[in-house]
Amino acid sequence: AQSVTQPDARVTVSEGASLQLRCKYSYSGTPYLFWYVQYQRQGLQLLLKYYSGDPVVQGVNGFEAEFSKSDSSFHLRKASVHWSDSAVYFCAASLYNYAQGLTFGLGTRVSVFP
Amino acid sequence: GGIITQTPKFLIGQEGQKLTLKCQQNFNHDTMYWYRQDSGKGLRLIYYSITENDLQKGDLSEGYDASREKKSSFSLTVTSAQKNEMAVFLCASSIRLGPYAEQFFGPGTRLTVL
Repeated sequence: AQSVTQPDARVTVSEGASLQLRCKYSYSGTPYLFWYVQYQRQGLQLLLKYYSGDPVVQGVNGFEAEFSKSDSSFHLRKASVHWSDSAVYFCAASLYNYAQGLTFGLGTRVSVFP
Repeated sequence: GGIITQTPKFLIGQEGQKLTLKCQQNFNHDTMYWYRQDSGKGLRLIYYSITENDLQKGDLSEGYDASREKKSSFSLTVTSAQKNEMAVFLCASSIRLGPYAEQFFGPGTRLTVL
C-alpha cells in the first residue's frame, strides 16, 4: 500500500540550531513529493515540492529538502531555525495517476526554544 | 493571490445531528477538496470536486455528503454526527486536478460532538 511515514512525532530545537525532519515514502513508482507547514490554528501552506531534477530542492523561508530514490526518502532541512518556525510539518506524496489524491504523513510537531 | 474561507470556524453538534460545513475560494480554481484532520492520524481525503457539479469520493467519504453547486464553493455535510467526535475539517483548492498542482488550504472548521 502507498504510504508516507514521518518517524518523529515531535522535535525540539534551540533557536539558531539546524533542523532535519525525516520523511520516507512507500510507492511503486516515484511519486510527486511535498512538504507543507501548519502554524497553529491555520491551514496548511506549501513549503516546497519535487518530482524530478536536482534532488535538492529549495523552498520558502530557508527550507530545503533532499530526495533520495535509493532510500525512498524526502527529508526537510533548515540551517538555522527561528522561533517562528514552531509549527507542524507534513510530508505528502501523490502519483501521476491522481485518483487517490495526496497522501499525508502524520506530521512532525517542531518546537523552537530561545 | 486569493483566499479560502471556511464557515463556521467552530461547530458544536449533538449526536445524530446533520451538520453542514461551507468553503468558499476566490482563486478561481477548478478543483476543491475536503480533508479531515484527526490528532495522530494526519489528513485524510473525504471528497474532492474536479469542477462545478462534480463530486469524487475519497478514502473517508462514508458518513459524509458533499455539494459543489458553484465553482467558488464546496460544502460538506456530516450526515449523522458521532458522539464524542472531535476533528478539524480542512478545505483546499487547486488550479486543476493533478499531482503537481499546489493545494491551497483554508484555516479549518473545528467540530465537537457532544
